[in-house]
Amino acid sequence: GAVVSQHPSWVICKSGTSVKIECRSLDFQATTMFWYRQFPKQSLMLMATSNEGSKATYEQGVEKDKFLINHASLTLSTLTVTSAHPEDSSFYICSANSGGAYEQYFGPGTRLTVT
Amino acid sequence: AQTVTQSQPEMSVQEAETVTLSCTYDTSESDYYLFWYKQPPSRQMILVIRQEAYKQQNATENRFSVNFQKAAKSFSLKISDSQLGDAAMYFCARQGGSEKLVFGKGTKLTVNP
Repeated sequence: GAVVSQHPSWVICKSGTSVKIECRSLDFQATTMFWYRQFPKQSLMLMATSNEGSKATYEQGVEKDKFLINHASLTLSTLTVTSAHPEDSSFYICSANSGGAYEQYFGPGTRLTVT
Repeated sequence: AQTVTQSQPEMSVQEAETVTLSCTYDTSESDYYLFWYKQPPSRQMILVIRQEAYKQQNATENRFSVNFQKAAKSFSLKISDSQLGDAAMYFCARQGGSEKLVFGKGTKLTVNP
């Protein structure tokens, strides 16, 4: 149980285009989902927290107009990187937890390469 | 800032031996959770062990155990009988009332055969 999937696992896009990453909880309802960014050989940095049906809360320094997060249902959250640039190339990881539970379940991550 | 510090960027251990990874943290909360996550080359985050701050007893999961010193804000991970499959990045993390996880910078563990 407690499986989180991400799609796609790897995406290459051209500079200036937008790309959407999906995060799904497969066997539980995720009241809260988190989006992280991880650069090579670095730790995970929280980008934003999203709750179903409400606006995401972004961490300081994260551009909310560039990284659009939509938590449309209890099993799906999406991260859209708008007008991507090469410096947005990174590994993006989502996690989810169910209401009242402290444990976060992580997706397998999405590698984004912007050319 | 409430931080998590892992002072060992890299560690190595011989197969079947024991290794301890260090972690200290800073928090003003009295109720929180601490975690050790493993990230192998696949980059999938895997929960190794968790500790509730209100529990005095150190958590144990098979070959993995922690030494939780609440007053010192220390949370080290001991891996016994190290196996080749234990080689990975290990991240210490703290979670408070906001449910946000704050990660340390990680320790790369190498297991030598």
